[in-house]
Amino acid sequence: GQSLEQPSEVTAVEGAIVQINCTYQTSGFYGLSWYQQHDGGAPTFLSYNALDGLEETGRFSSFLSRSDSYGYLLLQELQMKDSASYFCAVRAGGATNKLIFGTGTLLAVQP
Amino acid sequence: NAGVMQNPRHLVRRRGQEARLRCSPMKGHSHVYWYRQLPEEGLKFMVYLQKENIIDESGMPKERFSAEFPKEGPSILRIQQVVRGDSAAYFCASSPPSRGRGTGELFFGEGSRLTVL
Repeated sequence: GQSLEQPSEVTAVEGAIVQINCTYQTSGFYGLSWYQQHDGGAPTFLSYNALDGLEETGRFSSFLSRSDSYGYLLLQELQMKDSASYFCAVRAGGATNKLIFGTGTLLAVQP
Repeated sequence: NAGVMQNPRHLVRRRGQEARLRCSPMKGHSHVYWYRQLPEEGLKFMVYLQKENIIDESGMPKERFSAEFPKEGPSILRIQQVVRGDSAAYFCASSPPSRGRGTGELFFGEGSRLTVL
């Protein structure tokens, strides 16, 4: 089977740092992506890790440990507009971008 | 460059009717993916298509659901004899040819919200 586990909800204050964890069990693994979704709208791509380590893109960073089947998304200098759902997703097919999504984490940023 | 276009944005059907959802990928993208999302849940993979080919339909229900991506025109997700449990948001995503390796990046449309009465 395929499963990705994330916390269902996280709350933080403006300016803080928050980490959203993701553990996965999938039959194939080629990389871990992160997506943001506001109010049920179009999910938007944030980052992708194919290799172990940290990838940084502005205020957002993503980490992967393939040996632990674990990754996280780190959001720094939180802003109110970061309130959204965040999904990790495993790229399960070799030459394709077919993604298996986690259950999502609802981040609430408070003033 | 227009993004992924889905229509209709909202669709209401009575039980037993048919629903047709359309998706035009981004320009230059030849790969289309359909996902279903129930309220406050994740995105469930349904089907992956390239032009005129279904590559992976492992997430499609065996009955009543079908998908196509013809040589010309948009990709269509068709649901026959809809039931209340089909009520959900259906998202289409596209990506360019992978050239042998994926990037983990899909470009999503705004979704089509199906309500079955």
